[in-house]
Amino acid sequence: KAGVTQTPRYLIKTRGQQVTLSCSPISGHRSVSWYQQTPGQGLQFLFEYFSETQRNKGNFPGRFSGRQFSNSRSEMNVSTLELGDSALYLCASSPDRGRAEKLFFGSGTQLSVL
Amino acid sequence: AQKITQTQPGMFVQEKEAVTLDCTYDTSDPSYGLFWYKQPSSGEMIFLIYQGSYDQQNATEGRYSLNFQKARKSANLVISASQLGDSAMYFCAMRELSSGNTGKLIFGQGTTLQVKP
Repeated sequence: KAGVTQTPRYLIKTRGQQVTLSCSPISGHRSVSWYQQTPGQGLQFLFEYFSETQRNKGNFPGRFSGRQFSNSRSEMNVSTLELGDSALYLCASSPDRGRAEKLFFGSGTQLSVL
Repeated sequence: AQKITQTQPGMFVQEKEAVTLDCTYDTSDPSYGLFWYKQPSSGEMIFLIYQGSYDQQNATEGRYSLNFQKARKSANLVISASQLGDSAMYFCAMRELSSGNTGKLIFGQGTTLQVKP
């Protein structure tokens, strides 16, 4: 079974641009979550999608958005990029069968904003 | 407020020895789950072990065990017989279960473990 796939692996953008990151969850997993990882702030929850609906959101500005498609694939978008958006963006999926369910993570997209 | 604290930024351990990574947590939710993840330099987060707040016994998964002390709100990870491949960043995380949302984990700042040959 293929793991969580994130594309692209690396991305370089300039301030003011926008970016879209993609995540393909493990087959059969309906929940997809996104996290931002920086050296200063650590791992922070961005949002979670389930059955094409956002069901939980972290404390990030509206420039960060996401969506989920009917095949559970998810994208996140960051508009008007700032230098502080440079981070590793991790996607995680789970079958969402129970509260003890572990999250399966992808290798992340490393975003650098210049 | 929900919070995970890992007080050891970096740790060294000799190969084949045991090591304990500390984790304390804070939550007002009576039902919660605690996770440990390993992050090698490749970036992918690898699940190691899970402990539910109502579990009576400490969780074990191979060389990993979780020393769960509910009254102290601590969930320390014990790695026995360390291997060179254990060198990585280790994260403690918590999920508050009453919300029903499985995708949100609160992470600690992590501990970098280096295993010496």
